[in-house]
Amino acid sequence: GENVEQHPSTLSVQEGDSAVIKCTYSDSASNYFPWYKQELGKRPQLIIDIRSNVGEKKDQRIAVTLNKTAKHFSLHITETQPEDSAVYFCAASRGAGSYQLTFGKGTKLSVIP
Amino acid sequence: GAVVSQHPSWVICKSGTSVKIECRSLDFQATTMFWYRQFPKQSLMLMATSNEGSKATYEQGVEKDKFLINHASLTLSTLTVTSAHPEDSSFYICSARDGLTYEQYFGPGTRLTVT
Repeated sequence: GENVEQHPSTLSVQEGDSAVIKCTYSDSASNYFPWYKQELGKRPQLIIDIRSNVGEKKDQRIAVTLNKTAKHFSLHITETQPEDSAVYFCAASRGAGSYQLTFGKGTKLSVIP
Repeated sequence: GAVVSQHPSWVICKSGTSVKIECRSLDFQATTMFWYRQFPKQSLMLMATSNEGSKATYEQGVEKDKFLINHASLTLSTLTVTSAHPEDSSFYICSARDGLTYEQYFGPGTRLTVT
């Protein structure tokens, strides 16, 4: 089955700096890669996703890049703000059949004012 | 965006009793729903995949007789934790897949505490 590795597990940045979280996946058939933000005790919220036919996607301060050959994808947050502090999860899915998501272990991002 | 509700949001039960958790898609039809368990400071672990009108598919290591899943309609799936034990205490989150867009939307979660 799919295996998703996520790094780092914790990340502290100064407000205004950029944050980068990286994930690798094992199943070459995976073609859908969402990123979720989860605040303490709340549901994961989809913040951005990318499909395998695209190499990069951007939405304001958030961007995701995908390297299919190397089987890794990354989340980039620019001009970080204190409200960006949360746990971020990457996930991968084959996008076929039942569309099961396999999650990484999460990255706790702390933005220091 | 699409809305998924979950009920109850938290529940405390005694060891040996059963607890039912409901997951509803409020503004879309969900042909597939997923049930996850999340322990403190850990990631989401998929327990089972629930397809409307058919039996759920359980992940390895998840006891299907303990975690009963029913997906009777395109908007409702239920998870029943039978004969609950303290080690079943966790945050249970469902997600629903929109049959049109294929995106998954998460419910707010149910915190189960078994005493």
